Amino acid sequence: AQTVTQSQPEMSVQEAETVTLSCTYDTSESDYYLFWYKQPPSRQMILVIRQEAYKQQNATENRFSVNFQKAAKSFSLKISDSQLGDAAMYFCAYRSAPNAGGTSYGKLTFGQGTILTVHP
Amino acid sequence: DTGVSQDPRHKITKRGQNVTFRCDPISEHNRLYWYRQTLGQGPEFLTYFQNEAQLEKSRLLSDRFSAERPKGSFSTLEIQRTEQGDSAMYLCASSARGGNTIYFGEGSWLTVV
Repeated sequence: AQTVTQSQPEMSVQEAETVTLSCTYDTSESDYYLFWYKQPPSRQMILVIRQEAYKQQNATENRFSVNFQKAAKSFSLKISDSQLGDAAMYFCAYRSAPNAGGTSYGKLTFGQGTILTVHP
Repeated sequence: DTGVSQDPRHKITKRGQNVTFRCDPISEHNRLYWYRQTLGQGPEFLTYFQNEAQLEKSRLLSDRFSAERPKGSFSTLEIQRTEQGDSAMYLCASSARGGNTIYFGEGSWLTVV
């Protein structure tokens, strides 16, 4: 079974600065997807960024980028030019690919989450 | 394009009562998922459907929990004989055929008193 670990329960950053959230995972599969989701307090979980394991290039979405290290099974999220609206719980998540041959295709496995506080 | 909708958003019930939550996925999404999330924790997978077929159930889904998706559109999650440990947010999500991204609803909060 796959596991996802977020070792930083809380992080804080000054507005306009850069912050990096860490995530490691464990899997025996070679093909999979990794995600970062954002969940503001009492609000809907929304997708921030997605990475396909077969792609060597790190995904970027505007101010959000990832550092995907497949051999190390590491998937960190970098938020540049942090804004007050970035404050939320951030979850790292793993999903098997359809051709991975595993039985868990379909579902997401989440980490424990990191609470990000942005100071003005 | 409406998102995943869940109803009710909040439910307070007495221990031992039955509750049912409804989820309407994004139109034409053939996969539908249920997760449970307790305060300060990541969501835990409960079950998922592809069309009307329930393809996987977590061990977390005890005999008191049942989920259905009778016509491959909306889904219901019923909890019978609720216990205080069932208090959590129940999240529904959906994804399209061949899609890599799962989209979440706003969740249904359950409080068992």
